[in-house]
Amino acid sequence: QVQLQESGPGLVKPSETLSLTCTVSGGSISSSSSYWGWIRQPPGKGLEWIGNIYYSGTTYYNPSLKSRVTISVDTSKNHFSLKLSSVTAADTAVYYCARRGGSYSSAFEPWGQGTLVTVSS
Amino acid sequence: SYELTQPPSVSVSPGQTGSITCSGDKLGDKYAYWYQQKPGQSPVLVIYQDTKRPSGIPERFSGSNSGNTATLTISGTQAMDEADYYCQAWGSSTDDVVFGGGTKLTVL
Repeated sequence: QVQLQESGPGLVKPSETLSLTCTVSGGSISSSSSYWGWIRQPPGKGLEWIGNIYYSGTTYYNPSLKSRVTISVDTSKNHFSLKLSSVTAADTAVYYCARRGGSYSSAFEPWGQGTLVTVSS
Repeated sequence: SYELTQPPSVSVSPGQTGSITCSGDKLGDKYAYWYQQKPGQSPVLVIYQDTKRPSGIPERFSGSNSGNTATLTISGTQAMDEADYYCQAWGSSTDDVVFGGGTKLTVL
């Protein structure tokens, strides 16, 4: 059973780069049927898709974040990563990683537990 | 950009049927997905490809999608179903992902 776990700093200063890693266990990140995604949720607000990556490295980003986002994959470590540059307080959110595809078409399932990232000086 | 619109809140009495709508331009031409999120927890997929239930999701959850509206229906609603529900579809392409704003389902 595939499980995902986010990791990274919980506090980032304004104008700096947010960096998170999602480690996949119980399955291979190189699965041909899966994409791997990042989604975030500001406190008390809804879900916002950030982007997806395929094991080959092909990426798809939310147009509203594209200029600041980089998602990469390391198949040898079975993990993928998120970098969001020039952060502001508006980037404070719980960041989730999730698998897109697998048994459920283009749905996101499962999700990681999420990690809260606060942008503050 | 493509948008999905959900009502902010829906109330339903225990044992009754509750429905949550998700509206978007020609949404019926796309697949709709639904997620349940309880406080402090990660979202859980409850409906995929408009009408299908993942394993482990109770039969009281069902979905439909036609025209501009997708609907999540919960029959015989239970107190444990109280949660936020989000719809999701693809946007301008199948690689683009859009979430609705979410609906808080209250069981009272």
